[in-house]
Amino acid sequence: GENVEQHPSTLSVQEGDSAVIKCTYSDSASNYFPWYKQELGKGPQLIIDIRSNVGEKKDQRIAVTLNKTAKHFSLHITETQPEDSAVYFCAADTGRRALTFGSGTRLQVQP
Amino acid sequence: NAGVTQTPKFQVLKTGQSMTLQCAQDMNHEYMSWYRQDPGMGLRLIHYSVGAGITDQGEVPNGYNVSRSTTEDFPLRLLSAAPSQTSVYFCASSYGSGGEQFFGPGTRLTVL
Repeated sequence: GENVEQHPSTLSVQEGDSAVIKCTYSDSASNYFPWYKQELGKGPQLIIDIRSNVGEKKDQRIAVTLNKTAKHFSLHITETQPEDSAVYFCAADTGRRALTFGSGTRLQVQP
Repeated sequence: NAGVTQTPKFQVLKTGQSMTLQCAQDMNHEYMSWYRQDPGMGLRLIHYSVGAGITDQGEVPNGYNVSRSTTEDFPLRLLSAAPSQTSVYFCASSYGSGGEQFFGPGTRLTVL
């Protein structure tokens, strides 16, 4: 089955800096790659996703890149703000089952 | 729309007890799934359903049962609770495979 690895497990940045979180996946059949943000005591919420026929997608300060050949995808957050502090999860979906998640990255943005 | 709702929010059980975690969605989604979240391990898939009457096992199904008699509801049953099942449980739904999953607020379960 699919295996998703995520790095780093914790990330601390200064407000206004950029943050990058990286994930790799194992199943070449995976074709959908979402990123979820989880705030304390809440369920994960989708922030951006990308499909296998697209190399990059951007939504305001958030962008995701996908390299299908290398089987890795990354989340980029620019101009970080304190409210970006949360746990971020990457995931992969082969289209046959529910999502396989990475282990999460705890992002802390220092004011 | 209430989205995905889960009850209870918190639960404490003794080893060997059984219980059902409730999940309901009002978005007419075909796909529903249950995950458990443990520290440092992300979310792991327990069971999922692609429609009423159809369920399948995920990555960590042992000790859990599910059924899907309606599109709206997808309960998760713990048959005989064990301390290893202490976790936070999330239910999710989506229109189909390969699309956005909507998560409920979670149930925090402690098994003593």
